[in-house]
Amino acid sequence: GENVEQHPSTLSVQEGDSAVIKCTYSDSASNYFPWYKQELGKGPQLIIDIRSNVGEKKDQRIAVTLNKTAKHFSLHITETQPEDSAVYFCAASTSYGKLTFGQGTILTVHP
Amino acid sequence: DGGITQSPKYLFRKEGQNVTLSCEQNLNHDAMYWYRQDPGQGLRLIYYSQIVNDFQKGDIAEGYSVSREKKESFPLTVTSAQKNPTAFYLCASSISGDQETQYFGPGTRLLVL
Repeated sequence: GENVEQHPSTLSVQEGDSAVIKCTYSDSASNYFPWYKQELGKGPQLIIDIRSNVGEKKDQRIAVTLNKTAKHFSLHITETQPEDSAVYFCAASTSYGKLTFGQGTILTVHP
Repeated sequence: DGGITQSPKYLFRKEGQNVTLSCEQNLNHDAMYWYRQDPGQGLRLIYYSQIVNDFQKGDIAEGYSVSREKKESFPLTVTSAQKNPTAFYLCASSISGDQETQYFGPGTRLLVL
């Protein structure tokens, strides 16, 4: 089955810096890659997603890049703010409904 | 959380007891899912349902059961066969199952007494 590895497990940045989280996947058939943000004690919220026919997607301060050849995709957050502090999860999907999640990255943005 | 409700927020289970977690959505989504999240880990799929009266096992279905009698409801029962039930349980839904965005509820934290 699909396996998703996420790095780093923790990331600490200063306010205004950029943050990058990377994920690799094993199944070359995966074609949908969402990123979720989870705050303490709450359910994950989708922040951005990308499909395999696109190499990059941006939404204001957030961007995701996908390298299908290398089987990895990354989340980029620019001009980080303290409210960006949360746990971020990547996921990959090959078939109906079966999202495989990475282990999560705890992002801390220091004022 | 947008249209997906889970109850209760906290649930306590005694030894040998079955407990049921509720998940309701008013988004008119066909597909619904149950995930388990353990501390410091990602989400793992327990069960999913593409349509009413149909559901499939996910990666960790043992010790759990579900039903899908109504489009808006997908309850999860944690049976006594689940020996390590302490976790954060998340319900999600999507318009359909095929590569559609999954939206999550607020979660239920299950603790064993």
